[in-house]
Amino acid sequence: NAGVMQNPRHLVRRRGQEARLRCSPMKGHSHVYWYRQLPEEGLKFMVYLQKENIIDESGMPKERFSAEFPKEGPSILRIQQVVRGDSAAYFCASSISRGGLYEQYFGPGTRLTVT
Amino acid sequence: DAKTTQPNSMESNEEEPVHLPCNHSTISGTDYIHWYRQLPSQGPEYVIHGLTSNVNNRMASLAIAEDRKSSTLILHRATLRDAAVYYCILSPLQGAQKLVFGQGTRLTINP
Repeated sequence: NAGVMQNPRHLVRRRGQEARLRCSPMKGHSHVYWYRQLPEEGLKFMVYLQKENIIDESGMPKERFSAEFPKEGPSILRIQQVVRGDSAAYFCASSISRGGLYEQYFGPGTRLTVT
Repeated sequence: DAKTTQPNSMESNEEEPVHLPCNHSTISGTDYIHWYRQLPSQGPEYVIHGLTSNVNNRMASLAIAEDRKSSTLILHRATLRDAAVYYCILSPLQGAQKLVFGQGTRLTINP
């Protein structure tokens, strides 16, 4: 059973470009979460999605960031008009269900560098 | 979000047991206690979780205080591969499922 897959693993973008980060959850998992880890800081929750629905986006910046989890295909985190402050590691996690009973499985992350 | 408090760092020797403490005095009755760890340059990894009773799995043991205001993650025989940042996180049974990561404890294992 393959784990959570994220691609690309490393992404370099110039200021003003768009960044698209992809996450394929574990087989059978219908819940996806995105977290961001700024350099030398802890992980911060961004958004929680189920298929075709955003459940909790309380951690998403109000502008330039969006996320989706379509019926078919991976979850996408999109960052428009990137700035240097967006440079971070972005981790995706998936779980089989919601609630404290179920652990989240994390992917290896995408390291975004904005030049 | 219920808060946890952990020491910033701990150090231990290879093949010795390690006890990682966590205080969570504001825990509610339906909060699960989760432990995750993050090895260098990797994503977090689930370690163990529990509600009231002590728990064991192949990675570690979780000892939960009777009043649930604290817990201890026990690595029975640390290896160099256990060097990581360990996070103690409270997660409600129902409602928001996001994990709120604190600063965690950076565990160093000496050979």
